[in-house]
Amino acid sequence: GQQVMQIPQYQHVQEGEDFTTYCNSSTTLSNIQWYKQRPGGHPVFLIQLVKSGEVKKQKRLTFQFGEAKKNSSLHITATQTTDVGTYFCAGQRRSGGGADGLTFGKGTHLIIQP
Amino acid sequence: ETGVTQSPTHLIKTRGQQVTLRCSSQSGHNTVSWYQQALGQGPQFIFQYYREEENGRGNFPPRFSGLQFPNYSSELNVNALELDDSALYLCASSLVDRDEETQYFGPGTRLLVL
Repeated sequence: GQQVMQIPQYQHVQEGEDFTTYCNSSTTLSNIQWYKQRPGGHPVFLIQLVKSGEVKKQKRLTFQFGEAKKNSSLHITATQTTDVGTYFCAGQRRSGGGADGLTFGKGTHLIIQP
Repeated sequence: ETGVTQSPTHLIKTRGQQVTLRCSSQSGHNTVSWYQQALGQGPQFIFQYYREEENGRGNFPPRFSGLQFPNYSSELNVNALELDDSALYLCASSLVDRDEETQYFGPGTRLLVL
């Protein structure tokens, strides 16, 4: 079945440093979504990428979708303590008339040292 | 917040029992998906309901079943509970539209099986 690999599993950074997490799917995706989950919380939607090669920005966050629609990345510039949490990518395929559910990566735990 | 609610927030059951978890979707959303998130892992897709019919299923046994109702509510039922069923159960509602489907997650139900 479809697999989504995400690296690194953990990332320790000093506040103010940049952070990047990478996501790779075993199959071509219809879209990829990114979520942030705080400890004890639930996944919160950040963004969805649909088009090949798409790049989207949200303030200090930059999201990319690969040309082959199989990989993606999230880059945070100048991290702040509020960025702490686990970042998940989730890929989706469309098959026939229906949609597959989201296939999540295992997440990257971002730990920020002040 | 996402407008998606779940009940109960926490639940303790014993092995072999049955459990029903409930979700209230965003008004107008025609699709609900259920996920299981074990501690330290990414959410795993259980199944999806579209207009009250199962529209897709992940790698979960038949003792995981669901229902979706016309009033945007849904249920996840798990029979013959096993210890490994202990997890956070998340529902996500969405409006399917071409290749774009943003899923809005509820706060989850934390199930502990003893």
